[in-house]
Amino acid sequence: DTGVSQDPRHKITKRGQNVTFRCDPISEHNRLYWYRQTLGQGPEFLTYFQNEAQLEKSRLLSDRFSAERPKGSFSTLEIQRTEQGDSAMYLCASSLGSGRAYEQYFGPGTRLTVT
Amino acid sequence: AQRVTQPEKLLSVFKGAPVELKCNYSYSGSPELFWYVQYSRQRLQLLLRHISRESIKGFTADLNKGETSFHLKKPFAQEEDSAMYYCALYGGSQGNLIFGKGTKLSVKP
Repeated sequence: DTGVSQDPRHKITKRGQNVTFRCDPISEHNRLYWYRQTLGQGPEFLTYFQNEAQLEKSRLLSDRFSAERPKGSFSTLEIQRTEQGDSAMYLCASSLGSGRAYEQYFGPGTRLTVT
Repeated sequence: AQRVTQPEKLLSVFKGAPVELKCNYSYSGSPELFWYVQYSRQRLQLLLRHISRESIKGFTADLNKGETSFHLKKPFAQEEDSAMYYCALYGGSQGNLIFGKGTKLSVKP
């Protein structure tokens, strides 16, 4: 296991298009998180899953954003009708359960550019 | 509101000098605080947590509840310490980490 992986690493899209990102967590981790990071900011929480259940969503996650983790393994984050303000680095992280949830292992990120 | 503040965007020191990266937090409960680090071209990774009170790569951090601070310190900086450092607060029941904006540490030879 080489850690958390994300695909694609870079995505350039035109405003109004839909995009989907994938995250593969560390195999024994049951928690999976999505964060967004813009220039000069720290990562901002979007949502997280425990197994296949989506337990928390940030107010940052507008109706155009949807995340799934259908079998409790990999997760996808979809952004519909992208806007220029969606341009950011999208980070995925995974962790063990509640007692160790603070120790999150991050992926390399997907950099989204909306033109 | 839960918040983490890192007042310095950039901290530049010479090799061998002491380093202190500041972090202040706002949290209504009993906080769990962490430092994450991102070296150039690498992914974000956990550096240390306040509960363990351990020293990692020569860094230590003490939680001061009175001053609501969790500053990261190292007595003698090394060039390989150059990186982006993020202070983070664990949201507990919400399950997420709340990050500060980060401080870029540059250690000059």
